[in-house]
Amino acid sequence: QLVLTQTPSASASLGASVKLTCTLSSGHSSYAIAWHQQQPEKGPRYLMKLKSDGSHYKGDGIPDRFSGSSSGAERYLTISSLQSEDEADYYCQTWGSGIVVFGGGTKLTVL
Amino acid sequence: QVQLVESGGGVVQPGRSLRLSCAASGFTFSSYAMSWVRQAPGRGLEWVAVISFDGGNKYYADSVKGRFTISRDEYKNTLYLQMNSLRAEDTAVYYCAKNGEIIVGSTTGSFDFWGQGTLVTVSS
Repeated sequence: QLVLTQTPSASASLGASVKLTCTLSSGHSSYAIAWHQQQPEKGPRYLMKLKSDGSHYKGDGIPDRFSGSSSGAERYLTISSLQSEDEADYYCQTWGSGIVVFGGGTKLTVL
Repeated sequence: QVQLVESGGGVVQPGRSLRLSCAASGFTFSSYAMSWVRQAPGRGLEWVAVISFDGGNKYYADSVKGRFTISRDEYKNTLYLQMNSLRAEDTAVYYCAKNGEIIVGSTTGSFDFWGQGTLVTVSS
């Protein structure tokens, strides 16, 4: 079964970096994912598509502070030079034949 | 620029029906698969349904299968979600989302644009 697992919450200080993790279920370590950001009271916003080899393709206007990387079944989103507007929920998304799956989301608090 | 604008949400009694619309612009609508995703109050994102670029393939989450129908109108550049036999647990903000790539033979993929959402409340 295709499942994505995310840590429910994370926090980091203003100006620091943070690395969020999304883990693919067993047998699905080759799958690509996408990262989406949802700021409070707003709709989701696409950040990037991230492949198993670590190559990633960002959406229009996404700052260089956002980057992606991969290791085995883990997919990472790193945000550097944290700003107050980065405080948001972050969701990973993947897909298979006739199905789309979201992780439970990580709530990022910027201290 | 790509725009997705949902409409049709509102308050509806359990067991009744509602149809959502998503007006698309700024891209070649007929080339991309489209999805509906929902978010219950205080909860995460839940995929609902996807339709292929030509409407020939449709897939649904188990939670809505048999009750919801996704469709599209290429002339109106509009995506629809017909929701029947609504339940309290269908209460959510419903978003439409555009697939990011055209992949031959595949309907599902990453989403690269989202609408602003429309709220559906199922309550007596």
